[in-house]
Amino acid sequence: EAGVTQFPSHSVIEKGQTVTLRCDPISGHDNLYWYRRVMGKEIKFLLHFVKESKQDESGMPNNRFLAERTGGTYSTLKVQPAELEDSGVYFCASSRGLADTQYFGPGTRLTVL
Amino acid sequence: AQSVTQPDIHITVSEGASLELRCNYSYGATPYLFWYVQSPGQGLQLLLKYFSGDTLVQGIKGFEAEFKRSQSSFNLRKPSVHWSDAAEYFCAVGGTSGGSYIPTFGRGTSLIVHP
Repeated sequence: EAGVTQFPSHSVIEKGQTVTLRCDPISGHDNLYWYRRVMGKEIKFLLHFVKESKQDESGMPNNRFLAERTGGTYSTLKVQPAELEDSGVYFCASSRGLADTQYFGPGTRLTVL
Repeated sequence: AQSVTQPDIHITVSEGASLELRCNYSYGATPYLFWYVQSPGQGLQLLLKYFSGDTLVQGIKGFEAEFKRSQSSFNLRKPSVHWSDAAEYFCAVGGTSGGSYIPTFGRGTSLIVHP
């Protein structure tokens, strides 16, 4: 069984540009989560999808961040326009049921210059 | 609000030595507690979790953790460290959101293993 995959693994962009991160969850996992780790700090929850619906987006920092999960399969997280403080590692996780173990992807390291 | 403190940013041990990584949490009710490990280039992997029951929890890769309510701690232990255990370790306390467990993570502890 393939794990959670994320693309790209690294992204370097300039302030003001747009970046789109992609997450492919484990097949059959209805629940998909996004997290972010700013350097040296905690991993923080951003949002949670159940299939294509946003269950909880309380962790999204502001309206420059847009997450979608069309069709309930893969998800994208778009940052537009990117700011310096958006730099960090963005993790995606998926789980089959709400209370099941979350399986994490390797993360996308975003650097905004 | 829930929070997790991992007081050690880095820990260095010799291969074969025992290991204890500290974790203290703050949570208003009975906590759900987790330990994750992230090896270089890999995603976070769940080592073990505590939801209820026996306070000594066994996990994968020979790790165990003990929940001590009186100390608000959930320390991770391993009796003999292998070089492949070098990684970053995250303790987390779980709240619930719509029935799902959303972990609040600590800042992580980097484990360095000397041969």
